[in-house]
Amino acid sequence: ETGVTQTPRHLVMGMTNKKSLKCEQHLGHNAMYWYKQSAKKPLELMFVYSLEERVENNSVPSRFSPECPNSSHLFLHLHTLQPEDSALYLCASSRQRLAGGVATGELFFGEGSRLTVL
Amino acid sequence: KQEVTQIPAALSVPEGENLVLNCSFTDSAIYNLQWFRQDPGKGLTSLLLIQSSQREQTSGRLNASLDKSSGRSTLYIAASQPGDSATYLCAGTLREGGSEKLVFGKGTKLTVNP
Repeated sequence: ETGVTQTPRHLVMGMTNKKSLKCEQHLGHNAMYWYKQSAKKPLELMFVYSLEERVENNSVPSRFSPECPNSSHLFLHLHTLQPEDSALYLCASSRQRLAGGVATGELFFGEGSRLTVL
Repeated sequence: KQEVTQIPAALSVPEGENLVLNCSFTDSAIYNLQWFRQDPGKGLTSLLLIQSSQREQTSGRLNASLDKSSGRSTLYIAASQPGDSATYLCAGTLREGGSEKLVFGKGTKLTVNP
């Protein structure tokens, strides 16, 4: 138990569906991240939120839409996805550095949401 | 662009053996380094974090070191056990394009045979 909870753990959706992934952290952190993990590729950073403000959008297609309503919750809204978007989506959190900028402290990950797009 | 290389990509050893996993960065300007473990279909579990002012960290049978001048890190696992079987990923924090990013390697898949 890392203190970061992701739901659902598995999701199968069609290309025309709209779904959302949810992440919740109970660690008192104020930075949250979405990563994509595809087979045989390094983890790809998608979005970063620091103090509920998006500070990083790593050229992610608009069919992925993040939302961070507060420092404990992070969502990834999905619609009109493509089969190549099938992957493990990992949420992480960390404590923001006092000096500002994106948090660079230790990252804690959730178990991931395995997404399959048909 | 920063790239992280982990060698070997896969490793299979008998139980009890000591082993070393390697991680290197094309740009040595990293300021902390984190090692993770990932079991199949699961998320990442943080093992060790080496802060910018440190050279190594130890936790139980694990020891990680960081040589910033060469952009290399090693993870040493002593007396390996079958339960150590997993994929081990290293990730370095660096500045890129005015922001800070955690850049991951592809991982080393470790199998410890009983």
